[in-house]
Amino acid sequence: QVQLQQSGPGLVKPSQTLSLTCAISGDSVSSSSVAWNWIRQSPSRGLECLGRTYYRSKWSTDYTVSVKGRITINPDTSKNQFSLQLNSVTPEDTAVYYCARGGWRSGGFDIWGQGTIVTVSS
Amino acid sequence: DIQMTQSPSSVSASVGDTVTITCRASQGIGSWLTWYQQKPGKAPKLLIYGASSLQSGVPSRFSGSGSGTDFTLTISSLQPEDFATYSCQQANTFPWTFGEGTKVEIK
Repeated sequence: QVQLQQSGPGLVKPSQTLSLTCAISGDSVSSSSVAWNWIRQSPSRGLECLGRTYYRSKWSTDYTVSVKGRITINPDTSKNQFSLQLNSVTPEDTAVYYCARGGWRSGGFDIWGQGTIVTVSS
Repeated sequence: DIQMTQSPSSVSASVGDTVTITCRASQGIGSWLTWYQQKPGKAPKLLIYGASSLQSGVPSRFSGSGSGTDFTLTISSLQPEDFATYSCQQANTFPWTFGEGTKVEIK
């Protein structure tokens, strides 16, 4: 079955870069029927989609406006994984971060990573 | 961004009850509506997609309806494992957005 395994630090200093990786098993990051997403959840902002990457003859990414300019999502076909980088973090970026698979036909996120609690603090 | 508004924010119910949760979109989203269940410390679990299609493996006591801007999740014959938080999510226009969640608590 499809599984997503997240990795990355749980503590990031203000102004630094948050980096997380999501390793995929049972599916391919290059699959043309899904998109690979990063979502975060905090008490103040609830569930928030940050962005996605997907392959449709070529690679594409979409980012939500609230983090545009600070975020990069990259696929890594050699390791069958994708990553999140969020620059210039502030305490408002403290949240649980999830990677998730999104289906084009369903529009929903059917497979989720285990979540990473990321705290932004000095 | 499309705003998703859920009501109620919480509901108290007993085992065997029927619970109804509503979700309203700030603009029409067709049937691009997904419902999730989330338990503390866990990732959300997809229950219903396309407003009314039951995800494989999800019990039939869960059902969804609606289209356009108004949607409903119904849990019939509530079971002990159903006490959780339920959220809606639209997939009509990126960025996908979620409702604030409805906590179903034990009465």
